[in-house]
Amino acid sequence: RKEVEQDPGPFNVPEGATVAFNCTYSNSASQSFFWYRQDCRKEPKLLMSVYSSGNEDGRFTAQLNRASQYISLLIRDSKLSDSATYLCVVPLPSSGSARQLTFGSGTQLTVLP
Amino acid sequence: DVKVTQSSRYLVKRTGEKVFLECVQDMDHENMFWYRQDPGLGLRLIYFSYDVKMKEKGDIPEGYSVSREKKERFSLILESASTNQTSMYLCASSSGNTIYFGEGSWLTVV
Repeated sequence: RKEVEQDPGPFNVPEGATVAFNCTYSNSASQSFFWYRQDCRKEPKLLMSVYSSGNEDGRFTAQLNRASQYISLLIRDSKLSDSATYLCVVPLPSSGSARQLTFGSGTQLTVLP
Repeated sequence: DVKVTQSSRYLVKRTGEKVFLECVQDMDHENMFWYRQDPGLGLRLIYFSYDVKMKEKGDIPEGYSVSREKKERFSLILESASTNQTSMYLCASSSGNTIYFGEGSWLTVV
């Protein structure tokens, strides 16, 4: 099993739709989680951090399910500008440095007019 | 805001050439990284550094070396470029678990 796995996508949704994708992780001791957004031919940028049960920022909600070892990203009222690849990032626990960051392969989202 | 700057955005090099990719960060971060990103393979760690003159191999160090003479600068070196090193290279820095990326360097080796 990969350390971090994401829904393969691509997700093509109409504008205004609600879309959710998941990220599963293998190490049950992981404590913090991140979602990054990467636009085409651009660098990844931090979207949200998740340290406990979840986090909400406007139309974006990240939830953590420790029992099933996954985090999800929910986007409500999708905008054309939400089209991007979303990367799940999981630091390995007790690593002491960011060296042990594990990246998912990304989920591609396209919001259609 | 954190700023990670990669000086070369687009390069075309010939097979066998020595290639330098430079990266500078302005937030006094201890950790700096070099990744490459290829379609279908995601981000792969080449090397990272947790202090000046300190470096550790990542997952795919073969064919690469790095240099960190100053805290703010981390260089990636391809001693003899090969076509399979055509990729997008991302430099990053971090303090703690949040990582910040540069804009990327697109390298084509012909």
